[in-house]
Amino acid sequence: GAVVSQHPSRVICKSGTSVKIECRSLDFQATTMFWYRQFPKQSLMLMATSNEGSKATYEQGVEKDKFLINHASLTLSTLTVTSAHPEDSSFYICSAVDRDTEAFFGQGTRLTVV
Amino acid sequence: AQKVTQAQTEISVVEKEDVTLDCVYETRDTTYYLFWYKQPPSGELVFLIRRNSFDEQNEISGRYSWNFQKSTSSFNFTITASQVVDSAVYFCALSAEFGATNKLIFGTGTLLAVQP
Repeated sequence: GAVVSQHPSRVICKSGTSVKIECRSLDFQATTMFWYRQFPKQSLMLMATSNEGSKATYEQGVEKDKFLINHASLTLSTLTVTSAHPEDSSFYICSAVDRDTEAFFGQGTRLTVV
Repeated sequence: AQKVTQAQTEISVVEKEDVTLDCVYETRDTTYYLFWYKQPPSGELVFLIRRNSFDEQNEISGRYSWNFQKSTSSFNFTITASQVVDSAVYFCALSAEFGATNKLIFGTGTLLAVQP
């Protein structure tokens, strides 16, 4: 199956700093990517839909100024957590869609803000 | 509103037992997709199955089988002869809106522990 690479897999940052997470589709072009967040022992919650060349669409309750999404090419979407705080510590995972036939998930990024 | 309910929070079985994970969904759409994913402790999501709303045939893949019942809005997952490697969190998911097959609403997950 198609491969989606997410980087970094783990990151620890200081409170107040920003962290960028990359989601790459390695062997297909993804016009749409989705970003999810998963708190410990909880479900995955959709944060936003990222479309190549246009602004991301955020789900209700997700701060677009805090979670900046850029989908500049058909193979790369980035999520930047700005001015991170301990409550932003979570598991972030992306999925990339290949012509809406199937979504492939990245390996996830475990963010810890100290 | 779209919703997925996995009533079983945790299940513990002994190896070789069969186990069924329940999934009940709610949607207003007539066309929708249902999914099951496995999440091992490492965190990545492993795709298991996608089923569209017009295909009610049950599916079997090795030790895995799925029972889709539109009449009860259920899409249950059975593992036959469970193995320790099956231990993981299993998520059932529903396509969030018509035309966005892969924008998913996830259930809360079922933690399956298979004891040797």
